[in-house]
Amino acid sequence: AQKITQTQPGMFVQEKEAVTLDCTYDTSDPSYGLFWYKQPSSGEMIFLIYQGSYDQQNATEGRYSLNFQKARKSANLVISASQLGDSAMYFCAMREGLGFKTIFGAGTRLFVKA
Amino acid sequence: NAGVTQTPKFQVLKTGQSMTLQCAQDMNHEYMSWYRQDPGMGLRLIHYSVGAGITDQGEVPNGYNVSRSTTEDFPLRLLSAAPSQTSVYFCASRPQGAQPQETQYFGPGTRLLVL
Repeated sequence: AQKITQTQPGMFVQEKEAVTLDCTYDTSDPSYGLFWYKQPSSGEMIFLIYQGSYDQQNATEGRYSLNFQKARKSANLVISASQLGDSAMYFCAMREGLGFKTIFGAGTRLFVKA
Repeated sequence: NAGVTQTPKFQVLKTGQSMTLQCAQDMNHEYMSWYRQDPGMGLRLIHYSVGAGITDQGEVPNGYNVSRSTTEDFPLRLLSAAPSQTSVYFCASRPQGAQPQETQYFGPGTRLLVL
């Protein structure tokens, strides 16, 4: 059965520093997609970045990058040059194959300190 | 396009009351789903639909009913609300022919408090 694990309930980072949010997953399907979402205090879900299981390179989107280690089944989100506006809840999610169902991890709350 | 809309934004119910959370999308998406978000548990899938007239259960379907009579609407019904159903509910949609990297589109959420 597919599963997503985020082991860091909360993280602190100094403004302008980089931070890594951990995500491990479990699936028996060789085809899957991994997503990261940001949820600020306002509550909306904001899509950040996607990594496909067959993608050869790690995904990057601006200050966000995904450290994808397929053999270890990990898909860690790296935020470079943290900003105060990065303070939010971050969710890792996975969708198997061409299906629609997506499962989410428990989330990591990130606090950026000035 | 309004995207995915949810009503109400906030609702207080008494135990045993029934209500329907509304979700609508104007993007002609075939796939729609309902999630609940609880502290420390992320988003959990309640029910989903792959098209009008087709629904299926997710991870936590007990206590909830859904139907999909049109492509646009996907209401979630609580027949007899319980305090355990206090949560934030998100509706999401996605087109059937989307590229793998295309995300779901989320509504703004409905905050439900059951006393």
